[in-house]
Amino acid sequence: GENVEQHPSTLSVQEGDSAVIKCTYSDSASNYFPWYKQELGKRPQLIIDIRSNVGEKKDQRIAVTLNKTAKHFSLHITETQPEDSAVYFCAAPFSGGYNKLIFGAGTRLAVHP
Amino acid sequence: DTAVSQTPKYLVTQMGNDKSIKCEQNLGHDTMYWYKQDSKKFLKIMFSYNNKELIINETVPNRFSPKSPDKAHLNLHINSLELGDSAVYFCASSPYSVSGNTIYFGEGSWLTVV
Repeated sequence: GENVEQHPSTLSVQEGDSAVIKCTYSDSASNYFPWYKQELGKRPQLIIDIRSNVGEKKDQRIAVTLNKTAKHFSLHITETQPEDSAVYFCAAPFSGGYNKLIFGAGTRLAVHP
Repeated sequence: DTAVSQTPKYLVTQMGNDKSIKCEQNLGHDTMYWYKQDSKKFLKIMFSYNNKELIINETVPNRFSPKSPDKAHLNLHINSLELGDSAVYFCASSPYSVSGNTIYFGEGSWLTVV
């Protein structure tokens, strides 16, 4: 079925620590995996994405890794800062011929100074 | 300059009323969406249109009726509003894709039914 599981639901770290959020998906045909950040009262915005032809992608302090065999992908944030505090969503498209993105339940990240 | 814009941003209305939310995108995308975000922050797709054609229609009460007059506009009309309809409704758009592509969200419309 259409399912994206995301863990943990909440994550609290000290400024400067790393944060890791993991997602698993059920549709083996999925080949595009975006991560969105949603600040309080704002819209979800794309921060990084990865396609299934690569295993890892990095953009400054954030990186995404993908394991297609195990059907899971992870978001890594290094040297966290208070402005990283937000809700993070993973997503994966499901087959059927359309860009139907199914979102994980979200992870609320709190970075404490 | 806003890429995906929706109105109104805030809407407070009584049960039983009918209301509409309008959305416009200037990104030149072919595909538009409505997502619902409930109080627990779950983001759930409701509908999608590609070039004015309905392509995704999730299990949504038929009180919700989308309409796309052209590929740059997608409206959502809700009849007989219920308390459980209170949520944030996000419009979004993307290039047409069969394999997955970035979707761009509007700022959201906060609907409160009292």
